Amino acid sequence: QSALTQPPSASGSPGQSVTISCTGTSSDIGGYNHVSWYQQHPGKAPKLMIFEVSKRPSGVPDRFSGSKSGNTASLTVSGLQAEDEADYYCSSYAAGNNFYVFGGGTKVTVL
Amino acid sequence: EVQLMESGGGLVQPGGSLRLSCAASGFTFSSYEMNWVRQAPGNGLEWVSYISESGSNIYYAASVKGRFTISRDNAKNSLYLQMNSLRAEDTAVYYCAREKLSCHGDCSDYWGQGTLVTVSS
Repeated sequence: QSALTQPPSASGSPGQSVTISCTGTSSDIGGYNHVSWYQQHPGKAPKLMIFEVSKRPSGVPDRFSGSKSGNTASLTVSGLQAEDEADYYCSSYAAGNNFYVFGGGTKVTVL
Repeated sequence: EVQLMESGGGLVQPGGSLRLSCAASGFTFSSYEMNWVRQAPGNGLEWVSYISESGSNIYYAASVKGRFTISRDNAKNSLYLQMNSLRAEDTAVYYCAREKLSCHGDCSDYWGQGTLVTVSS
């Protein structure tokens, strides 16, 4: 069981938007603005898409945006494209036993 | 070009040991925090261990604490993971990852290709 909770799947048609939630506790997401999101295509290494809740690394399209409210972080992908079909993982700093924790992952399907 | 290349994976019996290495190039290795992250077949990502730039700060996931040891050799641009008392549930692809400078949280901006560790009799 993952420390952060994500829905197992999400989907949208090309051009639409999809939002993925990531729920934690006050000891991780709720307590710090240290949330990241990763994209992973099959057989590939993960790619950093969002860090510090809402910042995009250089080269990541502005179609990807992040936010946080309370103990829940969200990743929104706007203007869905075929290449956005992948698994997405949230991650957060976590006070206590684990330094970093991941969500279980959400498979995004572009219909 | 930033490159991270893991090695040392393979098949090991339960209770055995293995040492993973990660060779870094294309950046000033000694300036970056590093992580090990694993992914069991068909499963999600699991953070394993973190080490600061100098090696003075180290953290482990509860699932590996007391069995795994992370270390680095900045002179050799290398990161290591010594894994002892291996269990079937440690079977996974192990990635080394570099943390982005001046970032708060798990901001791993470069990853290796991963090395597969299989624990089985």
